[in-house]
Amino acid sequence: GAGVSQTPSNKVTEKGKYVELRCDPISGHTALYWYRQSLGQGPEFLIYFQGTGAADDSGLPNDRFFAVRPEGSVSTLKIQRTERGDSAVYLCASSLNGIPNTGELFFGEGSRLTVL
Amino acid sequence: GESVGLHLPTLSVQEGDNSIINCAYSNSASDYFIWYKQESGKGPQFIIDIRSNMDKRQGQRVTVLLNKTVKHLSLQIAATQPGDSAVYFCAEIPPFRDDKIIFGKGTRLHILP
Repeated sequence: GAGVSQTPSNKVTEKGKYVELRCDPISGHTALYWYRQSLGQGPEFLIYFQGTGAADDSGLPNDRFFAVRPEGSVSTLKIQRTERGDSAVYLCASSLNGIPNTGELFFGEGSRLTVL
Repeated sequence: GESVGLHLPTLSVQEGDNSIINCAYSNSASDYFIWYKQESGKGPQFIIDIRSNMDKRQGQRVTVLLNKTVKHLSLQIAATQPGDSAVYFCAEIPPFRDDKIIFGKGTRLHILP
């Protein structure tokens, strides 16, 4: 597709369950970012991939959160033992070469996670 | 520390008028700033950026002004249109952390008919 694709668009789960959120970046983009956005707030950085490796995972809130990008394209954000506080919109973005070459990130529409 | 903030959470502007959205940043060493627009139900969309060696940068109907002395950033939208209704975020790239963008809380721009 032409843009960043995220699935599912909506996910409702129960507290304690495991969740996977998928991001398909723009073809050829080497840099991939995950952000989390709570209602009324700006996006909050979680993790950044350059190629297959996580170059910066300092934004992951705790060890229940993990992300992979095994082939340098699609990425999966994994959340174990979900908590109500994990409810948010999870945004994925990609860019051709990453920061600092450009601050233009191409965002998907996000995956809205609701933990009951 | 790393923080980017907005002066006003909501701004209402008459259609056709110019809009000015303001932003304050705290890290005087930051040297790259970006404005993003987010429409309801969508991801943020890049509008314009500016580096610290510039005071002003213009795009199509938008102008970003940077005042490093008072650590202030503004986005000016000329002839505001209904399609400009969105939340606008200023963002910065902290010094020595050129791998992520730090977003502020955002300002909602509401266009009055």
